[in-house]
Amino acid sequence: GENVEQHPSTLSVQEGDSAVIKCTYSDSASNYFPWYKQELGKGPQLIIDIRSNVGEKKDQRIAVTLNKTAKHFSLHITETQPEDSAVYFCAASWGSSGDKLTFGTGTRLAVRP
Amino acid sequence: GAVVSQHPSRVICKSGTSVKIECRSLDFQATTMFWYRQFPKQSLMLMATSNEGSKATYEQGVEKDKFLINHASLTLSTLTVTSAHPEDSSFYICSAVRVRETQYFGPGTRLLVL
Repeated sequence: GENVEQHPSTLSVQEGDSAVIKCTYSDSASNYFPWYKQELGKGPQLIIDIRSNVGEKKDQRIAVTLNKTAKHFSLHITETQPEDSAVYFCAASWGSSGDKLTFGTGTRLAVRP
Repeated sequence: GAVVSQHPSRVICKSGTSVKIECRSLDFQATTMFWYRQFPKQSLMLMATSNEGSKATYEQGVEKDKFLINHASLTLSTLTVTSAHPEDSSFYICSAVRVRETQYFGPGTRLLVL
């Protein structure tokens, strides 16, 4: 089955700096890669996703890049703010975007004011 | 749009009792819902896939007789933890799939078994 590795496990940045979280996946058939933000005691919230036919996608301060050859994808957050502090999960699935997801281990991001 | 609710948000029960958790898609119909379990500081672990009108598909290692899943309508799935024990204490999260879209997650239910 699919295996998703995520690094780093914790990340601390100064407010205004950029943060980058990286994930690698094992199944070359995976074609959908969402990123979720989870705040303490809440369910995950989709923040951005990318499909395998696209190399990069951006939404305001958030961007995701995908390298299919190397089987890795990354989340980039620019101009970080204290409210960006949370746990971020990457995930991968194959088939349609509604198929089951395999999650990474999570990255705890702390943005220092 | 794409709001998923869970009820209750937290529940405390005695060992040996059963607990039912509801997952509802409030503004869309969901043919598929997923149930996850999350321990503190860990990732989400898929427990089962629930399709409306059919039996749930359980992941390896998940006891189907202990975690009963019912998906009786396109907007409601329930997870019943039967004969709960302290090791079942966890954060249970559901998600619902809107056709041709991604999974939308509920806010989670924190279960504490004493």
